[in-house]
This record gives sequence, C-alpha cells and structure tokens, in this order.
Amino acid sequence: NAGVTQTPKFRVLKTGQSMTLLCAQDMNHEYMYWYRQDPGMGLRLIHYSVGEGTTAKGEVPDGYNVSRLKKQNFLLGLESAAPSQTSVYFCASSYRDDDTQYFGPGTRLTVL
Amino acid sequence: EDQVTQSPEALRLQEGESSSLNCSYTVSGLRGLFWYRQDPGKGPEFLFTLYSAGEEKEKERLKATLTKKESFLHITAPKPEDSATYLCAVLTGRRALTFGSGTRLQVQP
Repeated sequence: NAGVTQTPKFRVLKTGQSMTLLCAQDMNHEYMYWYRQDPGMGLRLIHYSVGEGTTAKGEVPDGYNVSRLKKQNFLLGLESAAPSQTSVYFCASSYRDDDTQYFGPGTRLTVL
Repeated sequence: EDQVTQSPEALRLQEGESSSLNCSYTVSGLRGLFWYRQDPGKGPEFLFTLYSAGEEKEKERLKATLTKKESFLHITAPKPEDSATYLCAVLTGRRALTFGSGTRLQVQP
C-alpha cells in the first residue's frame, strides 16, 4: 500500500497563476482532508470531504476550491494564487472522523 | 472556539534525560485527542489516540496520558532519534482535527 500520496512535491507559482494539487489514497477511506502548515501556526484545515461527491469548508477555506469526484482522490485548487498562500500543504485521510488520520508527504508551494 | 496550546515550544534534552510535553485544550465536547510526530520535511506520523480522561497509552519510550483539561506526552530515557516536532490535536463535534502549534524536541547525544 502506498498510503496517501501527493503531487507535486514542490511548486513555484507567480501571483495570479492557478494550479491543482492532487491527493490520492489507497486505503478506501471515506474522509479526506486538506491542511496547510505555516511556521508557528500548526496545521490548519482548509477543506474536507466525508465521501465521494461531498466537500465542506474548514478553518481557512478562502482562495481555495476542492473536488472529490472519485473516492480515492481529493483535489485542491488555487484559482488565482497569492503570496499569502505560500505554505506547505498536507493531505490526510481516515476511515471515520474519529479514526486516525494518515498524512501524505506534503507539497511545498511558493507564490512569488 | 476550540483552542489547543502546546508547551514548551522547544525542548532540548540530553540523551537519557526524561521529560514531558504538555497539550492543554479548551473545547466543547472532546471526542478524542491525538498525538503525532513530525520529522523535518515530512508529513505527521500517528502516535496515539486518547478518548477519555484517565486513559494512558504507551509505545516504546513514549507514554501519553489524558485529563479533562490537558494531555501529557512523557518521554523516558530519550534517544537522538526521538528528535522531532510533536503535535497534539483534538477532535470535537466538528468532523476534523484542531492542531496545536507543536513542540520541537531535540535530544543531544
């Protein structure tokens, strides 16, 4: 099992550009999450999904959109990147909401 | 609003010097408290889940405990490979975790 994988690992964008981050899990988990991690601020939830075709807002959703068209994939989109979105993005998945969340290796995004 | 505070922010220990990390929380309706370990440049790695006050769990040199207001991660006789950032997170009525900012632990040989 690969667990949770994320692509790409690194990306540099210019302000105003768009991109999509892909998260894939092979554990048949219902729940999937996108977090961002900034120095001194811990992990903050952006959006999450409780099943295929469903999404919900987290703590810091502005500027991001998500889609869960297939159970194993959760996409995070930035339509018009801003320097404030420079961060490390982590995807996670779990079987239930009170179950262990398994994290991917992260994507380091820099917006110039 | 759920709040999770970890202390200290950073801790430097000598190999074999036992200590404890603290995670205090203010939440409405705790459903679970999670401890993760994070190495530089990697994603968080699950350590423990505690569901009710009085519960304790152990794994090698680590022991996690939970009260109604806080959790402790006790590290007994640490080794340099225990150096990492330790994250605490709480699950409440919302369906996702609220994380603390972490404790950076450095164990020197």
